[in-house]
Amino acid sequence: EAGVAQSPRYKIIEKRQSVAFWCNPISGHATLYWYQQILGQGPKLLIQFQNNGVVDDSQLPKDRFSAERLKGVDSTLKIQPAKLEDSAVYLCATTLAGHEQYFGPGTRLTVT
Amino acid sequence: AQKITQTQPGMFVQEKEAVTLDCTYDTSDQSYGLFWYKQPSSGEMIFLIYQGSYDEQNATEGRYSLNFQKARKSANLVISASQLGDSAMYFCAMREGFSGSRLTFGEGTQLTVNP
Repeated sequence: EAGVAQSPRYKIIEKRQSVAFWCNPISGHATLYWYQQILGQGPKLLIQFQNNGVVDDSQLPKDRFSAERLKGVDSTLKIQPAKLEDSAVYLCATTLAGHEQYFGPGTRLTVT
Repeated sequence: AQKITQTQPGMFVQEKEAVTLDCTYDTSDQSYGLFWYKQPSSGEMIFLIYQGSYDEQNATEGRYSLNFQKARKSANLVISASQLGDSAMYFCAMREGFSGSRLTFGEGTQLTVNP
C-alpha cells in the first residue's frame, strides 16, 4: 500500500510570494489533515477535511492560507502572500477509521 | 493551558537499556486517545503506539509500551532494549472526542541512544 505523498519536498520563496503544496492521500482514506510544524515544535493542525468538506479550520490563518480537497482525494494548501514566520514543515496526514494518522514526508518551506 | 506536556527536551540512554519518555495531558473529555510518534532527522512522522481512554490494559507494540495512568493523566512511553536507530524526536499527542478528530501534539523529546 502506497503511503501519503506530498510535493514538493522543499521550497524556498521570498516573502510576499505565493506557494502551493500538494498532498495525495492513501487510497480510501476519507479524512485528511494539514499540519504546520515550526522548527523545534510539535505539529499544529491547520485544517481537517472529511471527504471534500472542511471539518475544522479554526487554526487556519484565513487571510493568507487556503486549502481545498477536490473530489475528496488530493488536496492543495496555498499561502498567499507568504511571511517569514510561515517557514516550517507542512505535513499532510490521512486516516481511514480515525485512530492512527498516517503522515506524508512533509514539505519544508523556507521564506526569505 | 498546555494540553500535552513533555517535560524532557532531551534524553540520553545507553544502547540496550530501557528509557521512559514522559507525557502528561489535560482534557475534560471522557473519550480520548493518546498517541506516540517518532520523527527521525529525515522528518517523517512514524506512528508507534495508541492508547484509548477506555482501554484497561496498557498498550504494547514490540519494544514500545505505554504506561497509562489515567488518574494522574500521564501516558509515558517506555522503550525497552534501546537501539541506535531509536535516536529521534518523540512526540506525544492526544485526540479528544470522537475518532478522526485532530491531534494535539506536545513539544517533543529528543532521544539520543549512545553506543
